[in-house]
Amino acid sequence: AQSVTQLDSQVPVFEEAPVELRCNYSSSVSVYLFWYVQYPNQGLQLLLKYLSGSTLVKGINGFEAEFNKSQTSFHLRKPSVHISDTAEYFCAVTKGNAGNMLTFGGGTRLMVKP
Amino acid sequence: GAGVSQSPSNKVTEKGKDVELRCDPISGHTALYWYRQRLGQGLEFLIYFQGNSAPDKSGLPSDRFSAERTGESVSTLTIQRTQQEDSAVYLCASSPMGQGTDTQYFGPGTRLTVL
Repeated sequence: AQSVTQLDSQVPVFEEAPVELRCNYSSSVSVYLFWYVQYPNQGLQLLLKYLSGSTLVKGINGFEAEFNKSQTSFHLRKPSVHISDTAEYFCAVTKGNAGNMLTFGGGTRLMVKP
Repeated sequence: GAGVSQSPSNKVTEKGKDVELRCDPISGHTALYWYRQRLGQGLEFLIYFQGNSAPDKSGLPSDRFSAERTGESVSTLTIQRTQQEDSAVYLCASSPMGQGTDTQYFGPGTRLTVL
């Protein structure tokens, strides 16, 4: 079975500062990695995903994440955040074979302050 | 095109009553998933449908929970004899092929409150 740990439940940051949201996973099989965002009163939407190839993945809204196999991590970064980035961010994995559900971390609430 | 829709958006019920939650997936998506998000917690998988295959029910927390899907269309999640610990947001997602590489598209959720 796989599991996902998001080390920070809340991350406060000032507008225009850089941010990193941490995600570690454990799995006995290959996995695919995802970051989803949930804006207030909205559904989840995909930010980015890592399937294979380049370990640096770029997503929407200026976010990027780096897959590190040796550290089993998939941290999310943005060089300069905006107030509108305030949301809950979820790291998730699926197993590296067909037809599987997402296993989610507990989520990180990013709070961007003016 | 239209995204995943869920109804009702909110449901308040009394302990012991049955509830039915509905999900309309994106047209053409063969895979459909139900997840639960309890307050302050991450999402937990409940059940997965893929085409005409038998559903994966491994995430259902008790036999009070069941779900059906009509072909590759609408799904209903039924909770019998609701308990207060069933209070949560129930999210439905669909994906094109049910592959691990697929992006899952989520609906807005149904917020269930059991009094």
